[in-house]
Amino acid sequence: DQQVKQNSPSLSVQEGRISILNCDYTNSMFDYFLWYKKYPAEGPTFLISISSIKDKNEDGRFTVFLNKSAKHLSLHIVPSQPGDSAVYFCAASGGTSYGKLTFGQGTILTVHP
Amino acid sequence: ETGVTQTPRHLVMGMTNKKSLKCEQHLGHNAMYWYKQSAKKPLELMFVYSLEERVENNSVPSRFSPECPNSSHLFLHLHTLQPEDSALYLCASSRNKNTEAFFGQGTRLTVV
Repeated sequence: DQQVKQNSPSLSVQEGRISILNCDYTNSMFDYFLWYKKYPAEGPTFLISISSIKDKNEDGRFTVFLNKSAKHLSLHIVPSQPGDSAVYFCAASGGTSYGKLTFGQGTILTVHP
Repeated sequence: ETGVTQTPRHLVMGMTNKKSLKCEQHLGHNAMYWYKQSAKKPLELMFVYSLEERVENNSVPSRFSPECPNSSHLFLHLHTLQPEDSALYLCASSRNKNTEAFFGQGTRLTVV
């Protein structure tokens, strides 16, 4: 039973355009959501997070949107750059689990020059 | 450089071997974690330590044995592993609940 799902295994975008990565979750106890970026042979790197009291959080080129009623979050990258090419994971935590992150399967983003 | 260091980066071991993975964090965090990433699967939480006390064991087989001697160090002792245990093992730390976790670079484990 996958509680966090990233239904698009891959996304291809032109440099300078917007990249939109999507994530859905099923557990209504989740109250904290994160996006991580991962290059091959490296551990995930934290990008941006959002708590359930907000519906938007922005950090430079990265913006995360949270729609609690739809149990959906998205990561927008504007403008996309070739160096953004990596695997992006969304993760969620909450309820009584101490710091337990539940991850999605990941989306491979490729930004073409 | 995330402040979380894992050694070794790569490990090949036989099914009868005993080995240990090491993780060290220099961030002053209170919680440390072991995650496993198998091919084509999401990252799976294995163990959580908070202030050196194990607070979660996510139904992990006893052939994996964690140890947290202090808040900066975390070990994963491995013995009599199976080939299906081959995966990327990631250590992470966080300041407290509901703050972002910082990951090490992982140990790529191959069991032969």
